[in-house]
Amino acid sequence: EPEVTQTPSHQVTQMGQEVILRCVPISNHLYFYWYRQILGQKVEFLVSFYNNEISEKSEIFDDQFSVERPDGSNFTLKIRSTKLEDSAMYFCAGDGGRETQYFGPGTRLLVL
Amino acid sequence: QKEVEQDPGPLSVPEGAIVSLNCTYSNSAFQYFMWYRQYSRKGPELLMYTYSSGNKEDGRFTAQVDKSSKYISLFIRDSQPSDSATYLCASATNFGNEKLTFGTGTRLTIIP
Repeated sequence: EPEVTQTPSHQVTQMGQEVILRCVPISNHLYFYWYRQILGQKVEFLVSFYNNEISEKSEIFDDQFSVERPDGSNFTLKIRSTKLEDSAMYFCAGDGGRETQYFGPGTRLLVL
Repeated sequence: QKEVEQDPGPLSVPEGAIVSLNCTYSNSAFQYFMWYRQYSRKGPELLMYTYSSGNKEDGRFTAQVDKSSKYISLFIRDSQPSDSATYLCASATNFGNEKLTFGTGTRLTIIP
């Protein structure tokens, strides 16, 4: 059964550094998403992406965040200058438009 | 007002018991209702989803939606220790290019 994969599984970075989180969605999915989950809190929507454009973004997704689909398989989330409050689990998800979203295992980001 | 509300628990029940997990929502535009299971520090795993009001059964799991009262339920029959996890309800207005709005999750423990 196809799965969403994410790398790295864990990342530790210093405040102010740039990080890139990577995702390989299921191949026949068309719509892609990033969510985050701060420890002990709910899963929160960050951004949706379709046809190489951002479809919707939340107020969390400020100018420090960007997304890209650099090739036909990868989907990335970049945080330009990390802050302590960016520490969270980041989940990539995708769907084909006819059913709900399937999530990856997540990247745990720790900003020191 | 939170769009999707869920009692965070924790909820502990003996093995074999019927478990009832519930959410309420406030957005009348929600049409799709999902239940995800999340093990500690892992990604949300889709259990099942329903469209509009009604019931849907999959093995030991039954999802129920009552749009008139904006109430979402998940029932687990013959609960097993392996069912111990956090259960997340989520809602969306549509499939495809639509964000999911999550509840906080209910932490469930099945006691052998």
